[in-house]
Amino acid sequence: DTGVSQNPRHKITKRGQNVTFRCDPISEHNRLYWYRQTLGQGPEFLTYFQNEAQLEKSRLLSDRFSAERPKGSFSTLEIQRTEQGDSAMYLCASSSEGWEDTQYFGPGTRLTVL
Amino acid sequence: RKEVEQDPGPFNVPEGATVAFNCTYSNSASQSFFWYRQDCRKEPKLLMSVYSSGNEDGRFTAQLNRASQYISLLIRDSKLSDSATYLCVVLDSNYQLIWGAGTKLIIKP
Repeated sequence: DTGVSQNPRHKITKRGQNVTFRCDPISEHNRLYWYRQTLGQGPEFLTYFQNEAQLEKSRLLSDRFSAERPKGSFSTLEIQRTEQGDSAMYLCASSSEGWEDTQYFGPGTRLTVL
Repeated sequence: RKEVEQDPGPFNVPEGATVAFNCTYSNSASQSFFWYRQDCRKEPKLLMSVYSSGNEDGRFTAQLNRASQYISLLIRDSKLSDSATYLCVVLDSNYQLIWGAGTKLIIKP
């Protein structure tokens, strides 16, 4: 399967701990997006990369959140000093060049902060 | 007012019926529009893009009304497998993808 993959699929952590998630996009896709989704809501845009460059960050992304895509391939999303409000599904998607191109989503990482 | 609004539902519809949802958007300069489908506890998947002239894909028809700032999705001859949440997505003038909260559809036998 050459779709978007995310690891881990589930993460349970205690408040105050740091967590890191990984996303491996479809190999020929230049764009990579991170979203957060809570129950009953649509995905909320967090940030996106064009190759290795992080081009946009949502104001939802506090200083505790950081994302990287060092070689323009896989990406990591780190949350420092997790809070209970960070509990959500974190979705990664990838696409070709343009905004109008189909975004292909990974299965997500479900984070539970106790 | 939310930038993209959808009726959350659920829409309970008997199998074989026709169902339609609307989605309204606030930014009149929005450029592109999409419908995504999301099954329970799964990731969203593109259902169809919405073109100015309207477009059809099998049992699914999407239409855009720029004057009234809404898009619609029509599903004919609904199947049990159509049960899902349908997400409206709008690319606004700032190249931001804005997602609606989704409309839940339940098809009953």
